[in-house]
Amino acid sequence: EVQLLESGGGLVQPGGSLRLSCATSGFTFGSYAMAWVRQAPGKGLEWVSGVNDGGSGTYYADSVKGRFTISRDNSKNTLYLQMNSLRAGDTAVYFCARGLYCGSASCYKNAGYFQHWGQGTLVTVSS
Amino acid sequence: QLVVTQSPSASASLGASVNLTCSLSSGHSDYAIAWHQQRPGKGPRYLMKLNPDGSHNKGDGIPDRFSGSSSGAERHLTISSLQSEDEADYYCQTWSTGIQVFGGGTKLTVL
Repeated sequence: EVQLLESGGGLVQPGGSLRLSCATSGFTFGSYAMAWVRQAPGKGLEWVSGVNDGGSGTYYADSVKGRFTISRDNSKNTLYLQMNSLRAGDTAVYFCARGLYCGSASCYKNAGYFQHWGQGTLVTVSS
Repeated sequence: QLVVTQSPSASASLGASVNLTCSLSSGHSDYAIAWHQQRPGKGPRYLMKLNPDGSHNKGDGIPDRFSGSSSGAERHLTISSLQSEDEADYYCQTWSTGIQVFGGGTKLTVL
């Protein structure tokens, strides 16, 4: 069974930093593109960032470019999101999602569609 | 610019059918989309990938009551024999190199 478990959320002051993790199991992590998607309170889904299987192809929404960094450790089956210079508008539940199988398609800066999702971790940016 | 548009709300009676629509922006009628369901307080759940020709592949355990179809730039999700558990938000997603896009979601109410 595919499982994605986010952690690392919490309350942080504006301008602060936070690192989210997404521990995975049930599939060959290093063969799939991955992504982060967020949902502000009462709002819809907003894609944040994506990465290819090897970690070399990263891409970001304009709203977080230059402040957030996505990375992965294939030896630990874990996806990360380093969030710096946090703003009130970054307050949201952050979900990790599994994208394309990269063995049959190019995943370079294209995670494709998301077939599996985690339950999310809440990030609150407030003083 | 790649955009997908959804109606904010829909409603239908228990046991009836409902059709939700996702519209692709001009010039993008050849794009595939994915449909996701999100029940209150839960993470999203993948329902299906829907291709321009109407072919689709559903996620594990998705009932036959959920089906998809395509017409031009529109992608449809039809839910038949509505059940109370189908009351949820439904999002469409599309993608291209360097970008992922979600629609604003449709809140489905089962009467």
